Amino acid sequence: NAGVTQTPKFRVLKTGQSMTLLCAQDMNHEYMYWYRQDPGMGLRLIHYSVGEGTTAKGEVPDGYNVSRLKKQNFLLGLESAAPSQTSVYFCASSPGTGGTQPQHFGDGTRLSIL
Amino acid sequence: ELKVEQNPLFLSMQEGKNYTIYCNYSTTSDRLYWYRQDPGKSLESLFVLLSNGAVKQEGRLMASLDTKARLSTLHITAAVHDLSATYFCAVVTGGGNKLTFGTGTQLKVEL
Repeated sequence: NAGVTQTPKFRVLKTGQSMTLLCAQDMNHEYMYWYRQDPGMGLRLIHYSVGEGTTAKGEVPDGYNVSRLKKQNFLLGLESAAPSQTSVYFCASSPGTGGTQPQHFGDGTRLSIL
Repeated sequence: ELKVEQNPLFLSMQEGKNYTIYCNYSTTSDRLYWYRQDPGKSLESLFVLLSNGAVKQEGRLMASLDTKARLSTLHITAAVHDLSATYFCAVVTGGGNKLTFGTGTQLKVEL
């Protein structure tokens, strides 16, 4: 049982380039999330989804887009990468409304923007 | 806007000692989670606290919740080196079970 899988694990981009981070979960969870983690700032929510075909903005959505075309996948896109987007990105999933189970996290993607 | 504050941010302690990490949050919430993160790794769920007065224990860690004071504590008993990690509290806010995280407490237990 893989849980939450993120690809790639590492990536270096040049300013202005675009890329997509993929998150896949095999737990049949309804809700999925993208966070970024920066030193001294904990984790901050970028975007989230409460079901297939739905997305919503979190605390720090600017510069990112997301899509949830299939229940098991949640994609995070950077249209024009900026050095301020250098961070560790975590994807998470949870069962959905009424549940108290914790969010399950992937191993993270370490992204550097030069 | 929900704010979650943890203190201390850094904690260095000797093996065998006891200590408490504090997590304060600014608005009402019905759930609080504690996570552990080892360097360069993912987040591991430790506890979920659902109601006022809730107490959960696992090994040398014990978490409690006071919803009236908007305060949760993570108590470490007789620390061992393997507990060295960063600990986060996270509070559920709004729809979608969204979490707002504290800034984390980096714990180092000296041998």
